[in-house]
Amino acid sequence: NAGVTQTPKFRVLKTGQSMTLLCAQDMNHEYMYWYRQDPGMGLRLIHYSVGEGTTAKGEVPDGYNVSRLKKQNFLLGLESAAPSQTSVYFCASTAGRFGEQYFGPGTRLTVT
Amino acid sequence: GEDVEQSLFLSVREGDSSVINCTYTDSSSTYLYWYKQEPGAGLQLLTYIFSNMDMKQDQRLTVLLNKKDKHLSLRIADTQTGDSAIYFCAERESGSARQLTFGSGTQLTVLP
Repeated sequence: NAGVTQTPKFRVLKTGQSMTLLCAQDMNHEYMYWYRQDPGMGLRLIHYSVGEGTTAKGEVPDGYNVSRLKKQNFLLGLESAAPSQTSVYFCASTAGRFGEQYFGPGTRLTVT
Repeated sequence: GEDVEQSLFLSVREGDSSVINCTYTDSSSTYLYWYKQEPGAGLQLLTYIFSNMDMKQDQRLTVLLNKKDKHLSLRIADTQTGDSAIYFCAERESGSARQLTFGSGTQLTVLP
């Protein structure tokens, strides 16, 4: 099992450009999450999904959109990137009875 | 909303025990977790504890939970240089989406 994978690993965008981050999991998990990690702020939840075809907003959803068309994939989109979106983005999934989340390796995004 | 607090830094000597502390505010938390993040990597689940337990031991790791004071700690026995990392405490929110709230992380440095 690959677990949770994320593509790309690194990306540099100019202000106003758009991009999509892909998260894939092969554990048949129902729940998937997108977080951003900024220095000294821990992880903050952007959007999440409790099943195929469903999405919901987290703590910091503004400027991002998501889609969960297939159970194994969760996409995070930035329609018009801003420097404030420079961050490390992590995807996670869970189906665990104990709620433990499994994380991908992250995508480091820089917006100039 | 829910809040999780951790001290930012901890330094210990190799071979000593490390104790990382965490406080949380959600009295209805069902599970609490400890994650480890090494440089440039995603978060790795170390252990978790159910809220009706006081203690959980797993090899060199001991988790203590004081539910009355909403205080969680992670003790690492015989700390090694490979334990140097950022450690995150997280609580599972009450609700069906299995969302986690993370602390800001404690940077553990193990000195030779």
